[in-house]
Amino acid sequence: GAVVSQHPSRVICKSGTSVKIECRSLDFQATTMFWYRQFPKQSLMLMATSNEGSKATYEQGVEKDKFLINHASLTLSTLTVTSAHPEDSSFYICSASFRDFDSGANVLTFGAGSRLTVL
Amino acid sequence: AQKVTQAQTEISVVEKEDVTLDCVYETRDTTYYLFWYKQPPSGELVFLIRRNSFDEQNEISGRYSWNFQKSTSSFNFTITASQVVDSAVYFCALLGNYQLIWGAGTKLIIKP
Repeated sequence: GAVVSQHPSRVICKSGTSVKIECRSLDFQATTMFWYRQFPKQSLMLMATSNEGSKATYEQGVEKDKFLINHASLTLSTLTVTSAHPEDSSFYICSASFRDFDSGANVLTFGAGSRLTVL
Repeated sequence: AQKVTQAQTEISVVEKEDVTLDCVYETRDTTYYLFWYKQPPSGELVFLIRRNSFDEQNEISGRYSWNFQKSTSSFNFTITASQVVDSAVYFCALLGNYQLIWGAGTKLIIKP
């Protein structure tokens, strides 16, 4: 259980276009979702935290107008890279969090990631 | 402040050797969770283990074992009899109050 589906896994686009990445929780309701960016040979960098029905909280240095995050439902969050440029090329990973009522633990599960290449 | 330190940037061993990946963390939260993830060359993150701050029992899963010591704020990961398929980047992470902090990762290279 607790599967997060992220789509697309790979996307290539032209500079100036917008790209949308979807993150779906398949068998649970994700009250909180996280979006990460990973540069080559580096760790994951948190971009933003989104809670269902409210505006995302962006980390310092992340452009809100560049990286639009929508968390319209408890099972879907989207990241839109607007007017993409080659420097936006990266590996983007989403994560969903929920509290397991039996154990009380915070369960964190990750999507498989989306590799964006902007030409 | 919360912080996760994986001091070993890269480790290279010969197949069948044992290898330990270090993870040291800092947090003021009394309740937190520690994770290890594997990221093979294909890029996806593979969950290995989650440990909460109240459970200091060590865990063994096949060739993998984890040593959690609150006294030294460490959560080290050992692979016994390493195999080439273990080659990957391994991340340690700390989750407290919904803030997830990642270590820089340790690249593990297992040579045949």
